Amino acid sequence: QQPVQSPQAVILREGEDAVINCSSSKALYSVHWYRQKHGEAPVFLMILLKGGEQKGHEKISASFNEKKQQSSLYLTASQLSYSGTYFCGTEIGWGADGLTFGKGTHLIIQP
Amino acid sequence: NAGVTQTPKFRILKIGQSMTLQCAQDMNHNYMYWYRQDPGMGLKLIYYSVGAGITDKGEVPNGYNVSRSTTEDFPLRLELAAPSQTSVYFCASSYQQNTDTQYFGPGTRLTVL
Repeated sequence: QQPVQSPQAVILREGEDAVINCSSSKALYSVHWYRQKHGEAPVFLMILLKGGEQKGHEKISASFNEKKQQSSLYLTASQLSYSGTYFCGTEIGWGADGLTFGKGTHLIIQP
Repeated sequence: NAGVTQTPKFRILKIGQSMTLQCAQDMNHNYMYWYRQDPGMGLKLIYYSVGAGITDKGEVPNGYNVSRSTTEDFPLRLELAAPSQTSVYFCASSYQQNTDTQYFGPGTRLTVL
């Protein structure tokens, strides 16, 4: 089941904050966040695991609400380099069949 | 380390032709994946492998085949190409399956006419 991301797109001025949400209809084992710039491969940002462990980018924070089956990615004091499409990928359990990605959130940062 | 490499970068196929997309990684990762990304969409898992000699289907395996004879290489074979297979194909690898970063290759842009 594909996770649902919101918003679909957001335009910010440099220095503003953004929150990107990812929700699933199934209980999740982990949530992975990636950023993709146009014409490039996705780049890892963060992993959030059931139980609270996090691995990832020191300048980006995220939360994982296991009960609500939701994750949010927080981008603070956004920089021009933050522009791109953000994808969440979800796993429903250990040994599950790889990541299921959402459709993405397009983030545009303007000077 | 080169990371994950993919060849070719671009390819145009005619309907019914076949081709192999190459993927290699030099990080000694056991886990490798093939995704396709259609315009404006997220990535969908085609096949994955948990080690040499072991492969399994993902969400959209129809029309594709894979093999994994070595830890380093994970080629994706398209038989009888169809316009619906026009997409960007990404190969990825990871050290662990569920709790680790997936490193993506640069992608192969395939057009089937």
